[in-house]
Amino acid sequence: AQSVTQLDSQVPVFEEAPVELRCNYSSSVSVYLFWYVQYPNQGLQLLLKYLSGSTLVESINGFEAEFNKSQTSFHLRKPSVHISDTAEYFCAVSGTNYGGSQGNLIFGKGTKLSVKP
Amino acid sequence: DAGITQSPRHKVTETGTPVTLRCHQTENHRYMYWYRQDPGHGLRLIHYSYGVKDTDKGEVSDGYSVSRSKTEDFLLTLESATSSQTSVYFCAISGQLVGYTFGSGTRLTVV
Repeated sequence: AQSVTQLDSQVPVFEEAPVELRCNYSSSVSVYLFWYVQYPNQGLQLLLKYLSGSTLVESINGFEAEFNKSQTSFHLRKPSVHISDTAEYFCAVSGTNYGGSQGNLIFGKGTKLSVKP
Repeated sequence: DAGITQSPRHKVTETGTPVTLRCHQTENHRYMYWYRQDPGHGLRLIHYSYGVKDTDKGEVSDGYSVSRSKTEDFLLTLESATSSQTSVYFCAISGQLVGYTFGSGTRLTVV
């Protein structure tokens, strides 16, 4: 079975500062990795995903994450945050074997990013 | 989200009453899931379905049952609601190569 650890429950930063949200996973099988974002009182939105290929993946709003297999990590970074990035961010993992329990999407507990002016 | 709807969006119910939440999809995806979201716990999988009448338990299945009599509908039932089941419930669907799509959520309050 897979599991996900998000190392920080809350991350406060000032506007235009860089930020890193940390995510580590454990799995006995090959994985797909995801970051979801949830703005206050809204549902989940997919931010970016790693399925295969380049280990560095990017979102349309400036976030990027790098899959590091040796360290079993998938940290999310942004070089300069905006007030509008204030949200809760969830890292998630699933096995690559579509179907069966190992294909289920398992979430971390979330990191609340608070961007201050 | 497009292709997946949850009903109701909000519900308040009394302890001990049965409650059914509905998830409806128009994508014809094989896999459907129910998660609950609680502060400090992220999203936890309750039950999932891999086809009509094929379901299995997730991480936090106690007190919940599910049914899937049609591809498009996945029902979550709280057999006898308790205050610990106050939560936001999300349904999700997935198809091979297309990833997961989440519904807008149902906010359930058990009083």
